[in-house]
Order: sequence, then structure tokens, then C-alpha cells
Amino acid sequence: GAVVSQHPSWVICKSGTSVKIECRSLDFQATTMFWYRQFPKQSLMLMATSNEGSKATYEQGVEKDKFLINHASLTLSTLTVTSAHPEDSSFYICSAGLAENTGELFFGEGSRLTVL
Amino acid sequence: DAKTTQPTSMDCAEGRAANLPCNHSTISGNEYVYWYRQIHSQGPQYIIHGLKNNETNEMASLIITEDRKSSTLILPHATLRDTAVYYCIVRVPNFYNQGGKLIFGQGTELSVKP
Repeated sequence: GAVVSQHPSWVICKSGTSVKIECRSLDFQATTMFWYRQFPKQSLMLMATSNEGSKATYEQGVEKDKFLINHASLTLSTLTVTSAHPEDSSFYICSAGLAENTGELFFGEGSRLTVL
Repeated sequence: DAKTTQPTSMDCAEGRAANLPCNHSTISGNEYVYWYRQIHSQGPQYIIHGLKNNETNEMASLIITEDRKSSTLILPHATLRDTAVYYCIVRVPNFYNQGGKLIFGQGTELSVKP
């Protein structure tokens, strides 16, 4: 199956700093990527839809100035958590779809962010 | 909001079949039933999907009722590595469509025990 890779797998940062998480589709081109957030003991929550070459679409209640998403190429989308605070500590997961096949979505391994 | 209802948790003995139910009484005619699972601290893994016919692959079988209002995921011979949270999701198979997003509910926490 198609492979989606995230980097870093885990990151610890100080409050007030910004953190960038990368999501790459390794063996296919993904015109659309999705970003999720998951708190402990909870389900995945969709944050935004990232489309190559255009602005991301954010779900209701997600601050677009807080969570900056860039999808500059068909294989890379980035999520930047700006001015991170302890409440932003979470597991962030991306998924990507095949451009030729609009049904299937593949997930990355996730990135665990801890803000001190 | 998720369009499916699943039991919160289930146990299964190793080597036995695990049958995970899902109710989706409001499913639309063009929506498929998808199953994903998430092993602790990992990204979700695709298992299987179907429209109305029963489906089988190397991981599992999917049984969809004739009225499509419910389905059952069957892991024929559960192993300890199948311990995970299993999510049943209904969506159209086109992520360019608003209805094509993968919206996760709470899922079923399956514990496979020796």
C-alpha cells in the first residue's frame, strides 16, 4: 500500500515557540492531505483539509492562525503550531489520498507534541 | 458528527473470531462503509470497505445487512496484535466531496486475550 511518513515522530518544545510537522507521501502524489489531532483516550478530530497549491480548509473551531498549513507540493504538507502552549500538546496525524483514486486514504505514523 | 454507533469495548479470546458490530441507520445510497483500526500510539490503518455486498480481504471480512443499516467486521482468527480501537465510518468514496472526509467516532476498543 501507499506510504505516508511524518516527521518528527515526537517533539518537545517550550511554551511560546513554534513547531513544524511534516507529512510526506513517499510513493505517490497526493493532491489532498488531511490533518487530525488526537488527545489521550479520545478519538481523532479532523482539523483541516490541505490541498496542493491552495489554502487549507479548516474545520469549525480550529484556529487557522494558530495551526498554519502549507501544501506546497504533491508530496509534502506541513503543519506549524505557532506560539505553542501546553494545551496544544497532542498527537497530530496526517493522511493523504491518491490523486488517481479518490476513495483511499493512508495515514502517517503520527507526531507527538509536548509543550512544556 | 459521526454517523455510526459502535460498542465502546469488546473482548475476544486469541484464535477465536472477533465480530465487531456497527450501526449506520442513516446511511445514504452513495455512502460506503469503511473500517479502520488504530493500534496504541500509531496512525490508523485501513482494513476494508464495502457498499452493499459482503467483502473479504487478507485482514478481515465485512458483512453488510441487506438494508445497509448495520454491518459487522469479522477478524476470523484474532491474535494479540489485533488489540486496537476499531472505527466504522460511512462516507462517499471521494475526498474532494464534503461527505468524503473521514470523520472518526469513538470506535470499539477490542482486547484480544490469551
